[in-house]
Amino acid sequence: GAGVSQSPSNKVTEKGKDVELRCDPISGHTALYWYRQSLGQGLEFLIYFQGNSAPDKSGLPSDRFSAERTGGSVSTLTIQRTQQEDSAVYLCASSFGRVSYGYTFGSGTRLTVV
Amino acid sequence: AQTVTQSQPEMSVQEAETVTLSCTYDTSENNYYLFWYKQPPSRQMILVIRQEAYKQQNATENRFSVNFQKAAKSFSLKISDSQLGDTAMYFCAFMNLRTGNQFYFGTGTSLTVIP
Repeated sequence: GAGVSQSPSNKVTEKGKDVELRCDPISGHTALYWYRQSLGQGLEFLIYFQGNSAPDKSGLPSDRFSAERTGGSVSTLTIQRTQQEDSAVYLCASSFGRVSYGYTFGSGTRLTVV
Repeated sequence: AQTVTQSQPEMSVQEAETVTLSCTYDTSENNYYLFWYKQPPSRQMILVIRQEAYKQQNATENRFSVNFQKAAKSFSLKISDSQLGDTAMYFCAFMNLRTGNQFYFGTGTSLTVIP
C-alpha cells in the first residue's frame, strides 16, 4: 500500500478483555515496529521485526503483550486481559533498508480500556 | 541508556514568526542520528528533519532547520515563517547506530500557531 495502515482506528474495550491491533506496513518494507504513546508521554518502544529474524521483544511491558508478523508483512499486536493502564495510542511504523532515514508511521490505534 | 528531554511542554507562535523548540539528549555513543517528528491531530508521525551526528553542518529542510550542538548534546528545531499547518506535537528522537533500530523519543512539545 501507499502508507502504513492500522486498524481499528479506535477501540474501546472492557477491562479484562483481549484485543488485537493490526498493522499493514508499506509493501516491501522489511522492518516493522510497534510503539506505545500514553497521554503526555513520548513514544515507548514495544517490539521490532526485521525480515525473518527473531523479533526484538525487549520493550514489551508484560507477558500480556505479544506480537506476531505473518509472511513478513502484516503484524498483529495482542493484549490479553487488558488493564486501564493499557489505554494509549499504539503506533506502528515500517522501514526499508537504512532506518537512519527514519520510519514511516501509521496513524495509530487509540485503545481505551473502561 | 539514551534519554531525550524536551523541556517545553507547550509553545505558541504568531503566524509568520519564528519559533525554536528545544531538545537535549544524553548518550555515551559517538555515532547516532537525531530526528524531529511532527504529529498533527491525525496522529500520524511525519518526519520533519534528520541530522547525522558526524556531520557538523546543521540540517535544513525549507522552513525547518536545526541547531545541532554535539558537545552540549543539544538539538533544537527552528521553524521560520510559521504557518497554521505547523500546529502539532513535535517530538525529538535519537537513534543509536551501534545498537540498531530503536528510536528514543522525548515527551513532545505542543506547538500552536496563532493567526
